[in-house]
Amino acid sequence: NAGVTQTPKFQVLKTGQSMTLQCAQDMNHNSMYWYRQDPGMGLRLIYYSASEGTTDKGEVPNGYNVSRLNKREFSLRLESAAPSQTSVYFCASSEAGTGWNEQFFGPGTRLTVL
Amino acid sequence: AQTVTQSQPEMSVQEAETVTLSCTYDTSESDYYLFWYKQPPSRQMILVIRQEAYKQQNATENRFSVNFQKAAKSFSLKISDSQLGDAAMYFCAYRRMDSSYKLIFGSGTRLLVRP
Repeated sequence: NAGVTQTPKFQVLKTGQSMTLQCAQDMNHNSMYWYRQDPGMGLRLIYYSASEGTTDKGEVPNGYNVSRLNKREFSLRLESAAPSQTSVYFCASSEAGTGWNEQFFGPGTRLTVL
Repeated sequence: AQTVTQSQPEMSVQEAETVTLSCTYDTSESDYYLFWYKQPPSRQMILVIRQEAYKQQNATENRFSVNFQKAAKSFSLKISDSQLGDAAMYFCAYRRMDSSYKLIFGSGTRLLVRP
């Protein structure tokens, strides 16, 4: 099992460019998440998808859109990148329900917006 | 809103010694989960240990243990017999017990291990 995979691993954009970060999981998890990690801060939730067909805003959703393409895949799109979106982006997945629901994380994407 | 605070930006420990990382949180919920994640230089987030708030017994995983003080809203991580491979960022995280799956993270503590 590959777990949670993310592409690309690194990306440099110019202000105003768009791009999509891809995430896939092979653990048959219902829930998926996108976080961003800035220096000196913990991970902050951008968007999440509790189950296939649903998405909800997290703590810092402005400037982002998401698509839950199917149960396996959850993409994050930056329509018009800004320097403030320079960050490391993590995708995660977990089971649904009220149990432990440990979140498994991908390796992250380091994004720089010039 | 729930918050998680890690007041130690960086800690240092001698190899084979014991170190304790601090975490406090704020919530009005009575039942919830608490986690410690490790992030080595590879950036991969790795779950170290977890605790259910309704359990009074402190969780233990090999060399890692927690001191959970519910009334004080404190959740510290103790690493015994520290190893060079323990060097990493450590994040404390909180999650409600209901169907809200969101993890709330602290700002992290960088642990340095001196050989």
